Amino acid sequence: DADVTQTPRNRITKTGKRIMLECSQTKGHDRMYWYRQDPGLGLRLIYYSFDVKDINKGEISDGYSVSRQAQAKFSLSLESAIPNQTALYFCATSPSENTGELFFGEGSRLTVL
Amino acid sequence: GQNIDQPTEMTATEGAIVQINCTYQTSGFNGLFWYQQHAGEAPTFLSYNVLDGLEEKGRFSSFLSRSKGYSYLLLKELQMKDSASYLCAVRGRGSTLGRLYFGRGTQLTVWP
Repeated sequence: DADVTQTPRNRITKTGKRIMLECSQTKGHDRMYWYRQDPGLGLRLIYYSFDVKDINKGEISDGYSVSRQAQAKFSLSLESAIPNQTALYFCATSPSENTGELFFGEGSRLTVL
Repeated sequence: GQNIDQPTEMTATEGAIVQINCTYQTSGFNGLFWYQQHAGEAPTFLSYNVLDGLEEKGRFSSFLSRSKGYSYLLLKELQMKDSASYLCAVRGRGSTLGRLYFGRGTQLTVWP
């Protein structure tokens, strides 16, 4: 089983719909991140959380919100999806006493029509 | 802000050596990372440099010069399975401590 699990792995939705992507981890890490990846643009940070009570905006947080329900769970919501949010979304974790190494989930491919 | 540059594409032949360069300009620096990402998969950690010099790990080595804002990833004895995208990432300091900023990735194709 994967240490960092994302659901759903693939989702097609329509403009205006609310979407939630979920991430759970069994690594025991405090830090969790949401990135999106677009062709030619690389990985861009949406939100990150260093512990359950800590939520921070990343480079591209507009149109997104997050919830850190527990140390092991970090969900990303699109309140009203739009086509330019079509992307591959990755959740990642890292330990507090870190070298900075990120452990990524397998990704969630979202298509907004 | 953060500005990270790396070539978009590179090609090489099996058994050869390839060097992927990365230059960066950051408001704070606390380490440079290289990740490998195969098509359709998640990135996986390759190397980490925080001090100047060369870090060697099997067929892969990574070099850092902080004064020049420059790093490279060296892949030796290339294999077909090394065909992937290689991502350079810089870790921030201060208000951005713990955050990784990624370059756009270099797509390496290894030919037989």
